[in-house]
Amino acid sequence: QKEVEQDPGPLSVPEGAIVSLNCTYSNSAFQYFMWYRQYSRKGPELLMYTYSSGNKEDGRFTAQVDKSSKYISLFIRDSQPSDSATYLCAMKGSNDYKLSFGAGTTVTVRA
Amino acid sequence: EAGVVQSPRYKIIEKKQPVAFWCNPISGHNTLYWYRQNLGQGPELLIRYENEEAVDDSQLPKDRFSAERLKGVDSTLKIQPAELGDSAVYLCASSLGTGGQAFFGQGTRLTVV
Repeated sequence: QKEVEQDPGPLSVPEGAIVSLNCTYSNSAFQYFMWYRQYSRKGPELLMYTYSSGNKEDGRFTAQVDKSSKYISLFIRDSQPSDSATYLCAMKGSNDYKLSFGAGTTVTVRA
Repeated sequence: EAGVVQSPRYKIIEKKQPVAFWCNPISGHNTLYWYRQNLGQGPELLIRYENEEAVDDSQLPKDRFSAERLKGVDSTLKIQPAELGDSAVYLCASSLGTGGQAFFGQGTRLTVV
């Protein structure tokens, strides 16, 4: 079993829809949770960075962490065609440097 | 400010040939990482440097892979000889210390034929 499991997708949604992306994990030591966006043939770009449980909002993006359930989510409101990309969840422990990534979910927002 | 720069962007080689990738991290970032990303998967760490010292190379296949970071700035990752299964995107990332946020380069897409 992988340490981080991510809903595989792909997802195709109409412009303006809410996109919901999810990851589960097994390592209770994880404290830092990230979402990266990766456009085709580009490197991952940090989108959201959260510590421990709770919600964090940045513009149209909301990250949620539920450590009791070992479950994290990313919501994209009012999705745009420019949001079409692969989204990777990543996490690490307090004393860790190594990021453990999910496999990614590819999202297509149709105009 | 320039981000993490990698070259080449693409490389196609025949199996058993050597190949090398180069990375220039963000200025001032003392921590440098090499990750490998297979198709449809998330990146997996190969090696981490703190300045010029490789502090974690436990995931690096040492029979064919080698890396160096001379003077604690630029880094190269080498594969010799390459195998078909080495086809992947090789990503370099850097951060300001091990707890800092990692910034990734665009990667080198390697195809071994």
